[in-house]
Amino acid sequence: NAGVTQTPKFQVLKTGQSMTLQCAQDMNHEYMSWYRQDPGMGLRLIHYSVGAGITDQGEVPNGYNVSRSTTEDFPLRLLSAAPSQTSVYFCASSYRETGGTEKLFFGSGTQLSVL
Amino acid sequence: AQTVTQSQPEMSVQEAETVTLSCTYDTSESDYYLFWYKQPPSRQMILVIRQEAYKQQNATENRFSVNFQKAAKSFSLKISDSQLGDAAMYFCAYRSYGQNFVFGPGTRLSVLP
Repeated sequence: NAGVTQTPKFQVLKTGQSMTLQCAQDMNHEYMSWYRQDPGMGLRLIHYSVGAGITDQGEVPNGYNVSRSTTEDFPLRLLSAAPSQTSVYFCASSYRETGGTEKLFFGSGTQLSVL
Repeated sequence: AQTVTQSQPEMSVQEAETVTLSCTYDTSESDYYLFWYKQPPSRQMILVIRQEAYKQQNATENRFSVNFQKAAKSFSLKISDSQLGDAAMYFCAYRSYGQNFVFGPGTRLSVLP
């Protein structure tokens, strides 16, 4: 009964380094997404996917790449980290309940610091 | 584009008292969903309550209830009999059918013993 598993929980990078945040869900959800949380700005959508092989940009996609090769996994890649990417990152997934009401299930978040 | 506004960055309440957190949103859609999520210091995002726009009856979940005013585009959260464990960041969120979630900036709630 894992739900949404997100790793790592904490990460420190130097400017210019690359890394991948991992996200996996075991609920067979079609929809997966990545958010960043910054003080006073709430959660902003980075990228999302409505199914394997399908991804799209959200509100703040610059500097991030995603792929969705399987239903379960949705990794987020930072190709060249910048201090502006210091944030808390959340992966989330959802299903469609009868009637269309959809709940978001969140991972535990990643605190990323870029020096 | 839809936007969600939470005009109270911080709120405080005395234990056992009632507090109301405000949320307004902007949309041209008639069919949508509204949510309140709680984020305690553990950072975990927890769904508190949700409301379908087509339902006139306000949603309730134990000590949590909402005041949904569709014409005013207002969706406030009332917490009754506040407990120390209610201290958290609260996010209001909006989603129209088939679209992505839009979150407000959050309200940090402190509960005073």
